[in-house]
Amino acid sequence: ETGVTQTPRHLVMGMTNKKSLKCEQHLGHNAMYWYKQSAKKPLELMFVYNFKEQTENNSVPSRFSPECPNSSHLFLHLHTLQPEDSALYLCASSQGPPSGGPDTQYFGPGTRLTVL
Amino acid sequence: ELKVEQNPLFLSMQEGKNYTIYCNYSTTSDRLYWYRQDPGKSLESLFVLLSNGAVKQEGRLMASLDTKARLSTLHITAAVHDLSATYFCAVDLNFGNEKLTFGTGTRLTIIP
Repeated sequence: ETGVTQTPRHLVMGMTNKKSLKCEQHLGHNAMYWYKQSAKKPLELMFVYNFKEQTENNSVPSRFSPECPNSSHLFLHLHTLQPEDSALYLCASSQGPPSGGPDTQYFGPGTRLTVL
Repeated sequence: ELKVEQNPLFLSMQEGKNYTIYCNYSTTSDRLYWYRQDPGKSLESLFVLLSNGAVKQEGRLMASLDTKARLSTLHITAAVHDLSATYFCAVDLNFGNEKLTFGTGTRLTIIP
C-alpha cells in the first residue's frame, strides 16, 4: 500500500451504533489530520496530531473521539451520531514541524458516512 | 477568524478556452495551496505558493499569489475535458502550524 489509506470506504450506521474509522499513512509523516467534507460546505478541519500528540481540536463534538496510537495510524471513533454528521470524512498526513519547507498535506480516499 | 472565498463556485467552459479561478483570503498568510478533487475521489495537491509574486505552472494550469492583495489565482489555458474537477485553495494561517483553512471550492466542467 502506498500513500494514505482509509477504511471502510463506505459506512452506514444508526444513531445508537458505535463504529470506528481507520486511517494509515505509508509516507513516513509525523502529522495526521481528520477533516469533514459536507455538501455545499468548505472542508472542515476536525483534529490534528503531531508525533501522536493532539495539537488541534476544532470544537468537535465529543461524539467524535480520535485516537493516534503511532505516527502511522489514526482512528476516529464514532458514537451516538446524528443524521447531520453524514459526510465524507477525509484523513490526511504531512511531514509536520519542523519540516523546514512547505508542509503539503496528502489525503486519503475518504470514508462516506451515512447516519440513519 | 480566517475566511477563504473562491469564485466562481461553478464554472462551465468550452474546451480550448481560457479562464481564471480566484481565491481571496481575509488574513495575512504567506502560504497557499491549490488542490484538485475528482468526483468521488480524494484531494490531490497541485501547487504550493510560498511568497508574494510566486508563480507555479504545471501543464495547462498556472497558479499565482499576491500576498498584499490576499489573492491567489488559478489560470486554465486551452481547457481540455480531463481538467473537469473541483478545485480548492487552502490557506495556512500560522506558518508551519498545519492548520489549513479551505475555500468552498470551484466546480469546473469542461464542455466539448
